[in-house]
Amino acid sequence: KAGVTQTPRYLIKTRGQQVTLSCSPISGHRSVSWYQQTPGQGLQFLFEYFSETQRNKGNFPGRFSGRQFSNSRSEMNVSTLELGDSALYLCASSDGQPNEKLFFGSGTQLSVL
Amino acid sequence: DQQVKQNSPSLSVQEGRISILNCDYTNSMFDYFLWYKKYPAEGPTFLISISSIKDKNEDGRFTVFLNKSAKHLSLHIVPSQPGDSAVYFCAADPEVNQGGKLIFGQGTELSVKP
Repeated sequence: KAGVTQTPRYLIKTRGQQVTLSCSPISGHRSVSWYQQTPGQGLQFLFEYFSETQRNKGNFPGRFSGRQFSNSRSEMNVSTLELGDSALYLCASSDGQPNEKLFFGSGTQLSVL
Repeated sequence: DQQVKQNSPSLSVQEGRISILNCDYTNSMFDYFLWYKKYPAEGPTFLISISSIKDKNEDGRFTVFLNKSAKHLSLHIVPSQPGDSAVYFCAADPEVNQGGKLIFGQGTELSVKP
C-alpha cells in the first residue's frame, strides 16, 4: 500500500495570504487528522475528519479549517496567514478506531514571510 | 496546558548503552500510549505502544514501561545504535470511543554517539 502523501512539500507565503495543503491517506483509511509541529511545541492537534465529517477539533483559531472528500482525501486551509503560522504541517491517517496508531505523511513545510 | 510532557529536550548516549526516554501525563483517563520516532524532513513513524492494562510492552530492542500511579511512562532502547538518533515523541490517546486524535509531548532528541 502507498503511504500517506502530502503536497506540496514546501510552501513560501507572505502575511495575509491564504494557503491550501493536501493529504491523500492510505487506501482504505477513513480518518485523516492534521497536526502542526513547531520547534519546542511538539505536535499540536488541529482537527480530525472521519467519513467527511469533522469529528475532533483542537484549540486553533477559525483561520484554520479543513475538509474531507468522499475518497477520504483531505485538504487543510489557513487564511490570513501570520508569521507564527510558519511550521511543519503533518497529516496522518488511520482506520479511525480507538487505540490505534496513526500513519503520518512527510509533511508540508510552510514558511510565512 | 500540556497534558503530555517530555521534560528532557535532548539526550546523548554512547553506542551500545541503554537509552531511557521519559514521559509524564496528567490525565488519569488516558488509556493508550504510543511512541513515535521522527527523522528530519520525514513524518513521525510508529515505534511501540502500550495499553493501560499492561505495565510493560517489548518489541526487539524497544521496551515501554507504564507506571499508572505515577502517570509516567518510559521508553528503553537497548542496545542503542547510531541509527536510533532521532526525535522521539510520546503520545496519549485521549478518547475512549473515537480515534484519530493523539496528544503529543514536546519530543526528546536522542543522539547516539559511536
